Amino acid sequence: AQSVTQLGSHVSVSEGALVLLRCNYSSSVPPYLFWYVQYPNQGLQLLLKYTTGATLVKGINGFEAEFKKSETSFHLTKPSAHMSDAAEYFCAVRLNSGGSNYKLTFGKGTLLTVNP
Amino acid sequence: GAGVSQSPRYKVTKRGQDVALRCDPISGHVSLYWYRQALGQGPEFLTYFNYEAQQDKSGLPNDRFSAERPEGSISTLTIQRTEQRDSAMYRCASSRQGNTIYFGEGSWLTVV
Repeated sequence: AQSVTQLGSHVSVSEGALVLLRCNYSSSVPPYLFWYVQYPNQGLQLLLKYTTGATLVKGINGFEAEFKKSETSFHLTKPSAHMSDAAEYFCAVRLNSGGSNYKLTFGKGTLLTVNP
Repeated sequence: GAGVSQSPRYKVTKRGQDVALRCDPISGHVSLYWYRQALGQGPEFLTYFNYEAQQDKSGLPNDRFSAERPEGSISTLTIQRTEQRDSAMYRCASSRQGNTIYFGEGSWLTVV
């Protein structure tokens, strides 16, 4: 079984400041990891994913995340926040093998607000 | 189509009524998923189809919930005798087998 914990249901930053959204996971086998974003009145959109290979992955809109196995973390960062980054962000985990490797398990989400 | 399409986007129904939510996946995607998201929570898995076969329905909360995908394309999630606790966003998603999962905009269900 796998689970995801997102620390902080609400994060507020100033425009131009660093964005850091935290995600920790537990998984019985090596996982695939994802960040999805939901902008107001839109569907869930894939921001980035880690499957295998390089542990630092880059996504759309300047976001990146680093898979740290020793810390069981997959934190999302962006060096400089933009007003358009205001949205809800979901971290998710999926097994990379086994019978249930199609199933995504999500965290509860982090609402990011960006102040001018 | 270009993306996963869900209808209706918003549905208000009276307690005890049946509702049907429709999902039209991305063309060529053999895998289809339904998730449910309550306020303040992340999406939770309901059921999974591979082509027309329902491979996993372990997330369906009770026997009032059912889903079908008879021709391996469009899927319908049906909730019978709705209750207020069924109020949530219902998300459909699709993918090529084992690949990235793409979500639709969701169907908001309110049971009054």
